[in-house]
Amino acid sequence: QSVLTQPPSVSGAPGQRLTISCTGSSSNIGAGFDVHWYQQLPGTAPKLLIYANSNRPSGVPDRFSGSKSGTSASLVITGLQAEDESDYYCQSYDSSLSGSVFGGGTKLTVL
Amino acid sequence: QVQLVESGGGLVKPGGSLRLFCAASGFTFSDYYMSWIRQAPGKGLEWVSDISSSGSTIYYADSVKGRVTVSRDNAKNSLDLQMNSLRVEDTAIYYCARARGYSGYGHPGWFDPWGQGTLVTVSS
Repeated sequence: QSVLTQPPSVSGAPGQRLTISCTGSSSNIGAGFDVHWYQQLPGTAPKLLIYANSNRPSGVPDRFSGSKSGTSASLVITGLQAEDESDYYCQSYDSSLSGSVFGGGTKLTVL
Repeated sequence: QVQLVESGGGLVKPGGSLRLFCAASGFTFSDYYMSWIRQAPGKGLEWVSDISSSGSTIYYADSVKGRVTVSRDNAKNSLDLQMNSLRVEDTAIYYCARARGYSGYGHPGWFDPWGQGTLVTVSS
C-alpha cells in the first residue's frame, strides 16, 4: 500500500489528453510538500519528468505538465504519442515517515 | 554528461550481507545529496536512504533502518550502501540517484538522474 495513491492504469488514443492523479494526505502533499513525477520506460531506470509540482527539466516536451492542489497532484499529457507508453510515478516528502514517498505507479497504455 | 553506475548486486541468502557501489561522474559529486531508491520486481519505487553532500547527515527508511549503512567518498566520487541481515523482501533493483532541491525538514526534493540499477536477490 503506497502512501501516495495513483490509478494502476490509464489508457488513451494517440493525440488525446490524459491525466494521471496522485492523491496524498495532510502529512505529505496536503502539508505543502512538492510533488515530482517520473517516467519509467520498460526495462529502464526512472527519469525525472516534472519537479516541484509543475517544472519541466530541459529536454522534456511541453506536452507534459504538472499541477498540485490540496492533497492531490496531477500529471497531464497532451497530444498522446505511442512513445509515452510507460509507467509514471509521483513522489513527495512525508513528514510522518520522515522521508520521500512514492505513488504506486500508473501504467499508461496508448491504444 | 552526468552518469551514475551501480554495481555490487547479486544473489545472497537471507541473513547475509552485500555492499552496493555507485560511481558518479560528470558533475561535482561533493556538492550534492545522494540517494538510494529500490524497486522490487514488478513493483513500485521505494526510497531507501539519503546522504548529505558532506556525509554528515543521513536518513533511512524505516524498512531498512538498523540493517543498512550508507556512506560516500567525495574524493573518489563514490557512494556505498552496506546491507546486512538481508531479508527476502529486500530483493529489488537498487538505484542510486543524485538528489536535487529541498523538500523540507532537511531532506532533498527530487531525484535526477538515476543510475541503471543493480539487482539484489535474497533467496535461499
